[in-house]
Amino acid sequence: GAGVSQSPRYKVAKRGQDVALRCDPISGHVSLFWYQQALGQGPEFLTYFQNEAQLDKSGLPSDRFFAERPEGSVSTLKIQRTQQEDSAVYLCASTRTVYNEQFFGPGTRLTVL
Amino acid sequence: SQQGEEDPQALSIQEGENATMNCSYKTSINNLQWYRQNSGRGLVHLILIRSNEREKHSGRLRVTLDTSKKSSSLLITASRAADTASYFCATDPVHQGAQKLVFGQGTRLTINP
Repeated sequence: GAGVSQSPRYKVAKRGQDVALRCDPISGHVSLFWYQQALGQGPEFLTYFQNEAQLDKSGLPSDRFFAERPEGSVSTLKIQRTQQEDSAVYLCASTRTVYNEQFFGPGTRLTVL
Repeated sequence: SQQGEEDPQALSIQEGENATMNCSYKTSINNLQWYRQNSGRGLVHLILIRSNEREKHSGRLRVTLDTSKKSSSLLITASRAADTASYFCATDPVHQGAQKLVFGQGTRLTINP
């Protein structure tokens, strides 16, 4: 079946704008993760959902970052009042069950001017 | 913060040679995963090795895990130009909640034709 998809693939925002990034996980995958990857670095964990429940949001950098997964499938990562340091690639991953491999989407490259 | 550290940071070899990358980590883990990332693209899962396993093979890939030394290695045999990419190890630390992967900074592998 189809892999993890993310949209948009690229987003340019002016500082102060709000953005919303979408993730469609693999069908039937219970767990969904968001990561942030700065240029030249490895991904860093942001938040984790099991079905619709957000079980861990310890990696969200500030209260400007908000994620939801209301029906346990599609997830949206929202960043309010974007700042230049938010520029990064935002990766979404899903997995069927815990302690198994995570399958990543292509990412959304966010550039804040 | 990133737990894993890959070594070397960059590696350049001739096509047909073997490439070895190492990963060290700091805390006890449930499993360790290796991912490949081509420039500007998402992460592709390569192999998962659990904490009770010592070695795993998949095609031209061989992964070892030494939990006493908190280290892992990824060997790519008979390298090809298409293997050019960044390679990341990701650990699933015990006591950090369900599979919140912690990535290293990656090894940039270049295969010269």
